[in-house]
Amino acid sequence: GAVVSQHPSWVICKSGTSVKIECRSLDFQATTMFWYRQFPKQSLMLMATSNEGSKATYEQGVEKDKFLINHASLTLSTLTVTSAHPEDSSFYICSARAYEQYFGPGTRLTVT
Amino acid sequence: GDSVTQMEGPVTLSEEAFLTINCTYTATGYPSLFWYVQYPGEGLQLLLKATKADDKGSNKGFEATYRKETTSFHLEKGSVQVSDSAVYFCAPRTAGGTSYGKLTFGQGTILTVHP
Repeated sequence: GAVVSQHPSWVICKSGTSVKIECRSLDFQATTMFWYRQFPKQSLMLMATSNEGSKATYEQGVEKDKFLINHASLTLSTLTVTSAHPEDSSFYICSARAYEQYFGPGTRLTVT
Repeated sequence: GDSVTQMEGPVTLSEEAFLTINCTYTATGYPSLFWYVQYPGEGLQLLLKATKADDKGSNKGFEATYRKETTSFHLEKGSVQVSDSAVYFCAPRTAGGTSYGKLTFGQGTILTVHP
């Protein structure tokens, strides 16, 4: 139980385009989902917290107009990286909270 | 804000060796403490947790004790296996206030166990 999936697992896009990453809780409902960014050999940095049906709360320094988060249902949250640039290349991880936090496998984004 | 300092890796051990990964933290309030593990190609998984002082979390032979006086939560295992090779993250979770439930991750410690 408590499985979180992400799609796609990896994506390559061209600079200036937008890319959407989906995060789903497969066997439980999550009122709260989190989006993290992980650089190579570094810690996970929390980007934003989203609650179903309301606007996401972004951490300091994260551009909310660049990283659009939608949490439209209790099992789905999406992260859209708009006008992507090479510096946005990273590993993006979502997690969904039931009693504990459960993490997805991550999405590798490469912007060329 | 909260912060975590983890023992720097990578840590390389032989099978059946004793493992310690140090973790100290600063946090407001009275956090719960977690260790997560990330196996190659997989997402983070909860390894163990402790929610109050002197509690010992344990799972799969790993243990960690919540030491409030030293703000530490060191991870130990008496005899590691090759299958324990992974990245380990220490993470306090803020208690109360507007940041309830927010995990703060350490930088991760890469463990490699050789046969």
